[in-house]
Amino acid sequence: DAKTTQPNSMESNEEEPVHLPCNHSTISGTDYIHWYRQLPSQGPEYVIHGLTSNVNNRMASLAIAEDRKSSTLILHRATLRDAAVYYCILRDMDSSYKLIFGSGTRLLVRP
Amino acid sequence: GAVVSQHPSRVICKSGTSVKIECRSLDFQATTMFWYRQFPKQSLMLMATSNEGSKATYEQGVEKDKFLINHASLTLSTLTVTSAHPEDSSFYICSARVSGRGDTQYFGPGTRLTVL
Repeated sequence: DAKTTQPNSMESNEEEPVHLPCNHSTISGTDYIHWYRQLPSQGPEYVIHGLTSNVNNRMASLAIAEDRKSSTLILHRATLRDAAVYYCILRDMDSSYKLIFGSGTRLLVRP
Repeated sequence: GAVVSQHPSRVICKSGTSVKIECRSLDFQATTMFWYRQFPKQSLMLMATSNEGSKATYEQGVEKDKFLINHASLTLSTLTVTSAHPEDSSFYICSARVSGRGDTQYFGPGTRLTVL
């Protein structure tokens, strides 16, 4: 599975936008980009995913670079409930849908 | 929709005993279920992929005779930790995928296992 690189931690102020970066320079043409987040002592939660085009949903936006070697998860207005570990994961469409988690980015939201 | 439950939420057992953890999809039928393990302050590690009615596929380094997985129906998968030892103490999380509902995996709340 292709590898992703994320900063270990980031901080944000409440009510401000947050941009969480992810590098995936070895991404292949069949890799989907997934984002999940995990709140303390809970199972992960799906956030968003995409292949080539930018994606928006009620939780977040996903901006994918034109060469697909990086992507950014955008939380438009961070709340205290968004404090979590955010995982950027590449999934090969031919790989039986399994997700291989990296170390993720721990997001701290300051009130 | 798409709720996954796990039972029990936490369990404490003595070394040498076996522990069964259940993972259920409550409002959908899961084509595939996955089992993960997470040690404190670490990321999730995929243990195995389970398809209903067939044998689980284990990731490299995961002992299939120690971690028995049964996916008897489209809504239930079980993980049995056999002859548990203190080093098996961990947070065990399952997830489920729905065929035809794209790529999303729905995760359970996790089971915290402590082996004394």
